[in-house]
Amino acid sequence: GAVVSQHPSRVICKSGTSVKIECRSLDFQATTMFWYRQFPKQSLMLMATSNEGSKATYEQGVEKDKFLINHASLTLSTLTVTSAHPEDSSFYICSAREAVSLGYTFGSGTRLTVV
Amino acid sequence: GQQLNQSPQSMFIQEGEDVSMNCTSSSIFNTWLWYKQDPGEGPVLLIALYKAGELTSNGRLTAQFGITRKDSFLNISASIPSDVGIYFCAGQLRTNAGKSTFGDGTTLTVKP
Repeated sequence: GAVVSQHPSRVICKSGTSVKIECRSLDFQATTMFWYRQFPKQSLMLMATSNEGSKATYEQGVEKDKFLINHASLTLSTLTVTSAHPEDSSFYICSAREAVSLGYTFGSGTRLTVV
Repeated sequence: GQQLNQSPQSMFIQEGEDVSMNCTSSSIFNTWLWYKQDPGEGPVLLIALYKAGELTSNGRLTAQFGITRKDSFLNISASIPSDVGIYFCAGQLRTNAGKSTFGDGTTLTVKP
C-alpha cells in the first residue's frame, strides 16, 4: 500500500530558530498533501493544503509566514516552522493520497519541542 | 465549518468484549473514514466508506455509512489488548478538495 515518510520524527530546537519537516510519498505521486497539527489528547487540526507547483492554501487562523510550505515535487512537501517559539511545540503530521478512490495515508508525525 | 461529534470520548473494556463508537454530523459527507492512532504515531486508516448505507468489514472491525450521510459507526468485535489506542472518525466532501474533518477521538483501553 501507499507509504508516506515523514522526517524527522522528533526535533528539539531553541526559540527563534527555524525547523524544517519533510513529508515524502515513497511509492506514488501526490499533487496534494495536507499538514495537520495535533495537541496532546486532542484531534487533528488541518493547517494547510500543500499543492505541487503552486502556493499552499492555509486554513483560517494559520499564519502562512510562520508555517512555510513548499511542494516542489510530486513526492515531497516540506513544512518550515520559522522563528519557533515554545507555543509552536506540537505534533505535526502530513498526509497524502495515492488516488482519488483511496483514503489518505498519514506520515508517522514529527514531535517538535521548542525550548 | 463542519463539526463532527464522536462518542464516547473514552471506553474501558475487558478483553473479549465488543466495542461500538459513532460519529454524527449536522451536515452530510460523501466519504466517512475511520482511523486508529497509537501514541507518537500518525493515524492509520482502518476503513473507508464511500456510499450511504455501505457496511464494510476489515477483520474484527465493521463500519457503516449512515443512510442520512450524517453519521457512521465503528464496531470492534472480541477486543484484544492491541486494540488499545485512539480511534478517529473523519468525513470528507467531494467539493472540499479532499480535506478531512476529524472527530475528537475515542480513547480505547482494553484490560487483559
